[in-house]
Amino acid sequence: QVQLVESGGGVVQPGGSLRLSCTASGFIFSDYCMHWVRQAPGKGLEWVALIWYDGTNKYYADSVKGRFTISRDNSKNTLFLQMNSLRAEDTAFYYCARTKAAALYYIDYWGQGSLLTVSS
Amino acid sequence: EIVLTQSPGTLSLSPGERATLSCRASQSVSSRYLAWYQHKPGQAPRLLMFGVSSRATGIPDRFSGSGSGTDFTLTISKLEPEDFAVYYCQQYGTSPTWTFGQGTKVEIK
Repeated sequence: QVQLVESGGGVVQPGGSLRLSCTASGFIFSDYCMHWVRQAPGKGLEWVALIWYDGTNKYYADSVKGRFTISRDNSKNTLFLQMNSLRAEDTAFYYCARTKAAALYYIDYWGQGSLLTVSS
Repeated sequence: EIVLTQSPGTLSLSPGERATLSCRASQSVSSRYLAWYQHKPGQAPRLLMFGVSSRATGIPDRFSGSGSGTDFTLTISKLEPEDFAVYYCQQYGTSPTWTFGQGTKVEIK
């Protein structure tokens, strides 16, 4: 069955960096566009970034543009999110999720999330 | 940027009751681009509905979606114990962007 497992979360000081990973299984990873979506404590869901199935196109929310970079390694079925210049407001659970390229308008599977805490 | 406003913030109901959740958009949304998700604490969010009224794989038929333009509704005809959760609507914008409502919590009364 489809599985998306995030890892790499932790506690980082403001201004620091961290890289999240998401390992996919149970489907052909290279056929799907992949997202990062986050949820701050007590808040709703916020879309962060999307990468095209072949890595050619990347899109970001304004709140992370210039600080976060999404990437993927299709040979290892793995999605990444490099997060730099971290701020307290980046504290959240980060979920990886997949979308069919032909049906970008909804997200059909999500992981269980990895927690990032930005605090001094 | 389209803003989605969900109401009510919290819905207190008993198992077996009907739940009606609202999602209002600040501008007209194409019906193809409106989806609903269920999220329970500590779990992965789950796709319920896409294209307003199409149920995702494995979603029981007590869940239904309706609406058009700026007003959309998710209805759970008879609440089961496993349905108590937070529900989010989401719209796709052509930038592309994905925007979520703030969520409606369905809690046991």
